Amino acid sequence: DAGVTQSPTHLIKTRGQQVTLRCSPKSGHDTVSWYQQALGQGPQFIFQYYEEEERQRGNFPDRFSGHQFPNYSSELNVNALLLGDSALYLCASSLKVGASTDTQYFGPGTRLTVL
Amino acid sequence: AQKITQTQPGMFVQEKEAVTLDCTYDTSDPSYGLFWYKQPSSGEMIFLIYQGSYDQQNATEGRYSLNFQKARKSANLVISASQLGDSAMYFCAMREVNTNAGKSTFGDGTTLTVKP
Repeated sequence: DAGVTQSPTHLIKTRGQQVTLRCSPKSGHDTVSWYQQALGQGPQFIFQYYEEEERQRGNFPDRFSGHQFPNYSSELNVNALLLGDSALYLCASSLKVGASTDTQYFGPGTRLTVL
Repeated sequence: AQKITQTQPGMFVQEKEAVTLDCTYDTSDPSYGLFWYKQPSSGEMIFLIYQGSYDQQNATEGRYSLNFQKARKSANLVISASQLGDSAMYFCAMREVNTNAGKSTFGDGTTLTVKP
């Protein structure tokens, strides 16, 4: 049973650049959420995608955007990178089952460093 | 607004002993789920245990149990018979069913160190 996968593992960018992170959900899951985790803190919710649409968004600027493909995989795009965007980016997948609080399973993360 | 508080930045436990990691939460949604995750130094967030707000009994998963006290809004994780491999960061998280079903809110975590 394939778990959540993310690529790349590590990434180094400079300020002002753009970055794309990728995520494949756990087999059988159709919902993908993205989180940003700064060093020493808990993950912060960026947004969630279901049926190829953004369903919910956290307190992140429009520089953060995403996409979900028909095969349920997802991309996170960050434009005009700032030093403060350096963090571990986690992707989580779940199976949207009505209103139940389904468990989110996380991938290994992409560690982004902005210089 | 939903909020998770973990008041223990770091905890130490002797191998084979039990340890309790504290978590309190705040929400106005009567329907919610509480989760505990383990994050080793590698970074991957590993799901440990889930408790629903309407569950009558405390959740258990192997050596993990969740001490759920709804009136006190507390959801403490108990790890029995600690092992060296349990050394990691532990996060408590909550999802509200009616208002923020897509979003998990996390605490700041507790670093657990198991001593041999």
